[in-house]
Amino acid sequence: EVQLVQSGGGLVQPGGSLRLSCAASGFTFSSYWMSWVRQAPGKGLEWVANVKHDGSDKYYVDSVKGRFTISRDNAKNSVFLQMNSLRVEDTAVYYCARDTYYDILTGDHHYYGMNVWGLGTTVTVSS
Amino acid sequence: EKVMTQSPATLSEFPGERATLSCRASQSVSNNLAWFQKKPGQPPRLLIYGASTRATGIPARFSGSGSGTEFTLTISSLQSEDFAVYYCQQYNNWPITFGQGTRLEIK
Repeated sequence: EVQLVQSGGGLVQPGGSLRLSCAASGFTFSSYWMSWVRQAPGKGLEWVANVKHDGSDKYYVDSVKGRFTISRDNAKNSVFLQMNSLRVEDTAVYYCARDTYYDILTGDHHYYGMNVWGLGTTVTVSS
Repeated sequence: EKVMTQSPATLSEFPGERATLSCRASQSVSNNLAWFQKKPGQPPRLLIYGASTRATGIPARFSGSGSGTEFTLTISSLQSEDFAVYYCQQYNNWPITFGQGTRLEIK
């Protein structure tokens, strides 16, 4: 079964740190980019970051640049989001999602949509 | 940053009726546009990618159209499970951006 199992999250004070994890199974993890998307209470979806299939490139939304770091361990089929200098406005449900597919045979990237998602983990930043 | 604007903010329809949701990009995103359905307590569900390609397992009553800056999601005959919030997403450029959502509610 294709799935993403998330862990981490919780309550942290402003300025604090948290690390989110997302473990993949049921597909060739090393062939896919991975994304983190969040939804603040009562708000819409916001893409946070993604990482290339081999970890060589990473992209972030401006509001988290310099504070959050996305990484992956293909040997452990896992992607991570290290969140530092947390702010109240980072309070949200965070989802990991499978992103672009990398075809190792052709070297091409194909986007078939973020079609596999974790169940989400809640991050609350409050004093 | 490409700004995605969805309209209307809220759409009220009867079950069985047709629903049409719009999404406009501030600049062309070609056909690099996806639609998601979101229900409370659940992760987003991919409906459409490439502006018009249905994702695996998505019923045929969902269809997408458009290119460039104007896009439409159509639900041909609303079922009870279709009442939710819908988001468009452009992935033509970083940062990936979502629209603010359209809430589809039962009339």
